[in-house]
Amino acid sequence: DVKVTQSSRYLVKRTGEKVFLECVQDMDHENMFWYRQDPGLGLRLIYFSYDVKMKEKGDIPEGYSVSREKKERFSLILESASTNQTSMYLCASTLGGNQPQHFGDGTRLSIL
Amino acid sequence: ILNVEQSPQSLHVQEGDSTNFTCSFPSSNFYALHWYRWETAKSPEALFVMTLNGDEKKKGRISATLNTKEGYSYLYIKGSQPEDSATYLCAPYSGAGSYQLTFGKGTKLSVIP
Repeated sequence: DVKVTQSSRYLVKRTGEKVFLECVQDMDHENMFWYRQDPGLGLRLIYFSYDVKMKEKGDIPEGYSVSREKKERFSLILESASTNQTSMYLCASTLGGNQPQHFGDGTRLSIL
Repeated sequence: ILNVEQSPQSLHVQEGDSTNFTCSFPSSNFYALHWYRWETAKSPEALFVMTLNGDEKKKGRISATLNTKEGYSYLYIKGSQPEDSATYLCAPYSGAGSYQLTFGKGTKLSVIP
């Protein structure tokens, strides 16, 4: 069975901290995504990657960066966490645009 | 950013009722339309990926239709059950870029026993 694993379900950090969210997939997918979900706003794309070391900005990349050193792992980095980055973060992977995306369970991040 | 509209935002139905909701998307540059179900405390789960105008897909009591010329898709649930309670998301794929989807805000369905 396909699996996308996010490192933490819940995370609490302080303003100004550097925060790492990790995502691992076991399906050998080239394409991986990071989304955030906020009430009333739906799923919004932060960054995506279509290959190792390749990355593209999504709709809301400000305040975030990403790293893809290995095909199976895609990391989201909050360079200096702020309270407006409190949100649910979801990672996903896919083979292609006419193939479904497979999601992790999400990380609920609180920045105090 | 594509303009994706889902309606209604939320609805409550009685167990056993059938229901449907709508996803509207730009009809230009269409490649595929995805539907996902997102239950509370779980991850979004893919229901359908549809590509052809007039396509109809079915999974148990859930079915979906697609009109690419006018830019809409309907999701139908027949005989709703409490376990159908979830947020249903649609996301068109325009064929551009690296398989990026634009999600609608979803329809939140609550099925009352």
